[in-house]
Amino acid sequence: EPEVTQTPSHQVTQMGQEVILRCVPISNHLYFYWYRQILGQKVEFLVSFYNNEISEKSEIFDDQFSVERPDGSNFTLKIRSTKLEDSAMYFCASSGFIAGGPGYIRGETQYFGPGTRLLVL
Amino acid sequence: DQQVKQNSPSLSVQEGRISILNCDYTNSMFDYFLWYKKYPAEGPTFLISISSIKDKNEDGRFTVFLNKSAKHLSLHIVPSQPGDSAVYFCAASDISNFGNEKLTFGTGTRLTIIP
Repeated sequence: EPEVTQTPSHQVTQMGQEVILRCVPISNHLYFYWYRQILGQKVEFLVSFYNNEISEKSEIFDDQFSVERPDGSNFTLKIRSTKLEDSAMYFCASSGFIAGGPGYIRGETQYFGPGTRLLVL
Repeated sequence: DQQVKQNSPSLSVQEGRISILNCDYTNSMFDYFLWYKKYPAEGPTFLISISSIKDKNEDGRFTVFLNKSAKHLSLHIVPSQPGDSAVYFCAASDISNFGNEKLTFGTGTRLTIIP
């Protein structure tokens, strides 16, 4: 069964350093997402990406964050200058095409990767 | 701003019995709801979903019920098995974001199945 993969599984970095988190979405999916979960808190939306551009971003996704799809398979999240509060699990997700119309039942679900645990010291 | 709430942080159920996990939401624009299961150090795993035009969806041991007037949904697992022990997240997406399915998650309920 196709799955979303993420690398690295763990990343430790010093405050102020740049990190790049990598994701390989499911191959025929068109929508890509990053979420994060700070320890003990809920999963929070960061950004969605479609057709090579950001569709929506949350308040968390400030100028220190960027996303890129550098080739046909990878989807990356870059944090330019990490802060202590960026320590969290970062999850990539992808979903397929969502068609629609009155009464259409959306069946396209977001499938999540295993996450990257980022620790900023 | 807790648009999706899971008021029970934990739940313990005997193996073989029914587990009922609850979720409430406040945003009337939510039109698609999902349940995810999460083990420690893993990503959320999709379980089951329901559109707002339905009030029930069933998949094997899992059934999701939606009460739109009460803005409430529940996940029923029957019979409960030890492997069901995990954290369960309710999530919702917003019709105004059609084609851009940002999910809003609840805080999760830790389900423990007692053998």
